[in-house]
Amino acid sequence: DQQVKQNSPSLSVQEGRISILNCDYTNSMFDYFLWYKKYPAEGPTFLISISSIKDKNEDGRFTVFLNKSAKHLSLHIVPSQPGDSAVYFCAATPSGTYKYIFGTGTRLKVLA
Amino acid sequence: GAVVSQHPSRVICKSGTSVKIECRSLDFQATTMFWYRQFPKQSLMLMATSNEGSKATYEQGVEKDKFLINHASLTLSTLTVTSAHPEDSSFYICSARVHNRAGGLKETQYFGPGTRLLVL
Repeated sequence: DQQVKQNSPSLSVQEGRISILNCDYTNSMFDYFLWYKKYPAEGPTFLISISSIKDKNEDGRFTVFLNKSAKHLSLHIVPSQPGDSAVYFCAATPSGTYKYIFGTGTRLKVLA
Repeated sequence: GAVVSQHPSRVICKSGTSVKIECRSLDFQATTMFWYRQFPKQSLMLMATSNEGSKATYEQGVEKDKFLINHASLTLSTLTVTSAHPEDSSFYICSARVHNRAGGLKETQYFGPGTRLLVL
């Protein structure tokens, strides 16, 4: 039972344009969400997070949006750069725990 | 950001042997560390939560006698894959929980670089 889903396994975007990565979840007990970036054979690198009491968090080129009613969050990267090419995982934390439930990942390719 | 290291980065072993993987927090103390495994093109799956000075908490379906976890100090957790078999071949990643320095609601986990295990 996949509680956190990233339905797009891959995404290609031109350099300079916006990249939008989506994530859906089923568990209404999730109260904290994060995005991680991962290169092959490396551990994930933290990008940005958002608490369920907010609907938007911005950090430089990265913005995360949370729509609780739709159980959906998205990561916007603008402008996209070739160095952003990686696999992006969203993760969610159930209330009262510090466990991360990861999505299946989306491979982003930014074309120069 | 906080740095987490893992050793070894890659290990090849024969079926039936045991393999120990170390996870260290280099510039902070970690009361809680987590162990994940990732199969090719799949998500990271939490295996267990490692608490310093106490027994690890294993996720459903993870054999605690198969995957021994020791968290003897605030900077070191070890995962031992006992009597490894080819189906244990995977990418094992640890993470450590770091307090949000701004006093935020949740702590962020920082991940090690991972260990690739291949059991022949």
